[in-house]
Amino acid sequence: QKEVEQDPGPLSVPEGAIVSLNCTYSNSAFQYFMWYRQYSRKGPELLMYTYSSGNKEDGRFTAQVDKSSKYISLFIRDSQPSDSATYLCAMRDPSLIQGAQKLVFGQGTRLTINP
Amino acid sequence: KAGVTQTPRYLIKTRGQQVTLSCSPISGHRSVSWYQQTPGQGLQFLFEYFSETQRNKGNFPGRFSGRQFSNSRSEMNVSTLELGDSALYLCASSLVRPSQGRSYGYTFGSGTRLTVV
Repeated sequence: QKEVEQDPGPLSVPEGAIVSLNCTYSNSAFQYFMWYRQYSRKGPELLMYTYSSGNKEDGRFTAQVDKSSKYISLFIRDSQPSDSATYLCAMRDPSLIQGAQKLVFGQGTRLTINP
Repeated sequence: KAGVTQTPRYLIKTRGQQVTLSCSPISGHRSVSWYQQTPGQGLQFLFEYFSETQRNKGNFPGRFSGRQFSNSRSEMNVSTLELGDSALYLCASSLVRPSQGRSYGYTFGSGTRLTVV
């Protein structure tokens, strides 16, 4: 079983719909949670990050973390065709020394917003 | 400011050959990490360098190696290439010990697409 599970999709929704993307994880020590967006032929770009449980909003994007359920979500409101991309959840490996960097990624969900 | 620059963008190599990929991080970023991305396995951590020292290593064979120079630029090398090494290799740089509230997130380059034939 992978440490981070994410439904690869593909997910296809009409323009304007609310999109919900989710990941589950097994390591209860994870504390930093991120969402990346990756367009075709590009590297991932950081969209949102949250620390521990709670919600964070940035424009049309909302990230939620539920540590008790080991479940994180990304919501996209008023989805646009330009949101069509692969969305990856990621979590920082907590076993490392402070400052060290290693992220564990989900498989990524391919999202298409249809005009 | 300039982003993370990876060269070359595309590469075709033959089995058994070796390859070197290059990464220039964002100015001021001293941590450089490398990831392999494949359709089957997704993004997998290769290694991280900070101040010319490898700080972490993922679960890859010894054919995969890297180094970092004093200007924080990094290279990764794959020797004795196998067909399964075909992948997108991504480099990411980040600030170290970000202040409270700052992200532990990376800035990724666009990657080097390696095809082994």
